[in-house]
Amino acid sequence: DAGVIQSPRHEVTEMGQEVTLRCKPISGHDYLFWYRQTMMRGLELLIYFNNNVPIDDSGMPEDRFSAKMPNASFSTLKIQPSEPRDSAVYFCASRTRDFPYGYTFGSGTRLTVV
Amino acid sequence: KNEVEQSPQNLTAQEGEFITINCSYSVGISALHWLQQHPGGGIVSLFMLSSGKKKHGRLIATINIQEKHSSLHITASHPRDSAVYICAVKNYGGSQGNLIFGKGTKLSVKP
Repeated sequence: DAGVIQSPRHEVTEMGQEVTLRCKPISGHDYLFWYRQTMMRGLELLIYFNNNVPIDDSGMPEDRFSAKMPNASFSTLKIQPSEPRDSAVYFCASRTRDFPYGYTFGSGTRLTVV
Repeated sequence: KNEVEQSPQNLTAQEGEFITINCSYSVGISALHWLQQHPGGGIVSLFMLSSGKKKHGRLIATINIQEKHSSLHITASHPRDSAVYICAVKNYGGSQGNLIFGKGTKLSVKP
């Protein structure tokens, strides 16, 4: 298995632009998580899905952030409009209900908003 | 106070030294994870513990549920072990998705 695949690896964008981050979970995993990592706050959960349904989005910073999971093999995290304070590394992770404690992380997307 | 505290924040060691990184938590947990993150890299899960001790190669992880404390040990450290090590707990009864993360310990092993 190729693991959790995120794209792009790096994204540099101007303030005010729309940014879309993508994630392909491991096949058969029914939970998908989006995390954000910053120097100040470390890793934080933004949102997670179970069977493509958003379950807990309490970590989403504000309305500029939205996430979708249209099918079991794809999820997006969108920021519109982007701001410099959104600069961070965004990780996607997945796991299966049958192995509830084993998380597999993607390589992350490093977002820089200038 | 953070629910997951790691110490030390930064650690520099000479190649070959025995290394210990500590994690203390204040909530009831169902599992504890040790994660490794190399500079500019992704996050790799090293261990998942709910009790006792696990060993993988030169890495050993222990947990004491009563004391709410876990340690990650690296024997015969090597420069390639240089990374940030993150402790994360799954809060017992908490949101299914929510791991609570420590701030990480940055390890640098000098040759």
